[in-house]
Amino acid sequence: SYVLTQPPSVSVAPGKTATITCGGNNIGDKSVHWYQQKPGQAPVLVVYNDGDRPSGIPEQFSGSNSGNTATLTISRVEAGDEADYYCQVWDRSSDHWVFGGGTKLTVL
Amino acid sequence: EVQLLESGGGFVQPGGSLRLSCAASGFTLNVFAMSWVRQAPGKGLEWVSTVSGGGDVTYSADSVKGRFTISRDNSKNKLFLQMNSLRIDDTALYYCVRDHYERVAEGDFFQNWGQGALVTVSS
Repeated sequence: SYVLTQPPSVSVAPGKTATITCGGNNIGDKSVHWYQQKPGQAPVLVVYNDGDRPSGIPEQFSGSNSGNTATLTISRVEAGDEADYYCQVWDRSSDHWVFGGGTKLTVL
Repeated sequence: EVQLLESGGGFVQPGGSLRLSCAASGFTLNVFAMSWVRQAPGKGLEWVSTVSGGGDVTYSADSVKGRFTISRDNSKNKLFLQMNSLRIDDTALYYCVRDHYERVAEGDFFQNWGQGALVTVSS
């Protein structure tokens, strides 16, 4: 089955840029989506199809995808961006949705 | 405004059954695939099952295949998850999710999430 690998945690100072990676075999051939989940809340879509933003999501959030790594970039990080972030793909070979293990973003 | 309201969660013993419901409003249900995603306490997201807009195509995670059944009643704007032979490791918050497309395809994603229904399996 297809596996997505994320770092368990990422720390960043306020105002800096956070980079969260999502590794998978030839993930560049797939559409990658990213979800933000704050404590006690349901997940929220922040990036879809590698780098598109839903309406209402600030421009701080961007994404890219190539080769074996997809990346979520959060620029000018604020305390309110502290959350768990999950990547997701559809695996056509197994007809399964796959989530990464999640990355806890800590704002120092 | 899209709203997804789960119900039917609760406490059940191992081997028991439970049926989750999700009441959808603010959109036309039959033009969107719908999914269930769960999250065990302190753990990450785990996809459970997806059903196409018309209800004719379903997909399920290996961990629930043969035990859980996803279905929908578009006339009543409802999504269901019938859970049988429940195990302790099925304990989780179960989210009802609206997909972006009517059928799962490359480019589909999970557009809207409910607040979840808690299922606790314990003896």
